[in-house]
Amino acid sequence: DSGVTQTPKHLITATGQRVTLRCSPRSGDLSVYWYQQSLDQGLQFLIQYYNGEERAKGNILERFSAQQFPDLHSELNLSSLELGDSALYFCASSVDELVGTDTQYFGPGTRLTVL
Amino acid sequence: AQKVTQAQTEISVVEKEDVTLDCVYETRDTTYYLFWYKQPPSGELVFLIRRNSFDEQNEISGRYSWNFQKSTSSFNFTITASQVVDSAVYFCALLGDTGRRALTFGSGTRLQVQP
Repeated sequence: DSGVTQTPKHLITATGQRVTLRCSPRSGDLSVYWYQQSLDQGLQFLIQYYNGEERAKGNILERFSAQQFPDLHSELNLSSLELGDSALYFCASSVDELVGTDTQYFGPGTRLTVL
Repeated sequence: AQKVTQAQTEISVVEKEDVTLDCVYETRDTTYYLFWYKQPPSGELVFLIRRNSFDEQNEISGRYSWNFQKSTSSFNFTITASQVVDSAVYFCALLGDTGRRALTFGSGTRLQVQP
C-alpha cells in the first residue's frame, strides 16, 4: 500500500458525460501528479500540482481539468467524454517537487470506461 | 526531449530462471533519476527502485538487482530465481533535473513466469 488513495476504483459512463476522479496523497506529500494509462499511448503525464498550485502540464486535453485543494487532495475533472478517454487514471504524490530526488508513489488508479 | 525504450514487449520464463529486463534512456540533462515500477495484474503501480545519475553503483535487493551503465545509457533489471508472483508488467522511467517534474515511462515489459 503506497498510502495514496484514489476513488472511485471503477467508473462506467457514457459519451458526452462529465466525471470527477479524486486523489488523496500520502501524508506529508505536497505534490500530486496525474497520469493516464491507455493501450495505445502507454503511461502519459497529464498535470502536476504542488501545494495547491498548478506546476506543470503534459498531454492534458482542454476537456480535462484538475485542482488541488487546501487539504492537498486533488480532483481530475473529465468532461465531454469520448470513447478514447477510456483508460486507467493514476494519481501519484511526492514530498516536494523542488527537492529533485523525489520518488513518486502511485495510487491504485481509477479505471474509466466510456460507453 | 527525454525518451525511455524497453525493447522487450513480453518475456516468458519458467519458475526459478533468471531474467533481465532491458531499459535504455535518452536525456540531455546532466543530472537525472531512473526508476523501475511494477504493475501486477491487479493494476497498481508499485515503486521498486530509484537510481541517481551520479551514483553508478549497482544495487541488489533480495532476488532483484539493477545494473546502471551511464556509458551505454542503460538501467537493466535482473530477477534471480524468478517466481510466479513476479509476473507483472515492469516499467522503466526517467526524471530529468530540468523542466517539468514528470516521469517519462517506457512502454513496459510484460513478464510471465510459468510454474
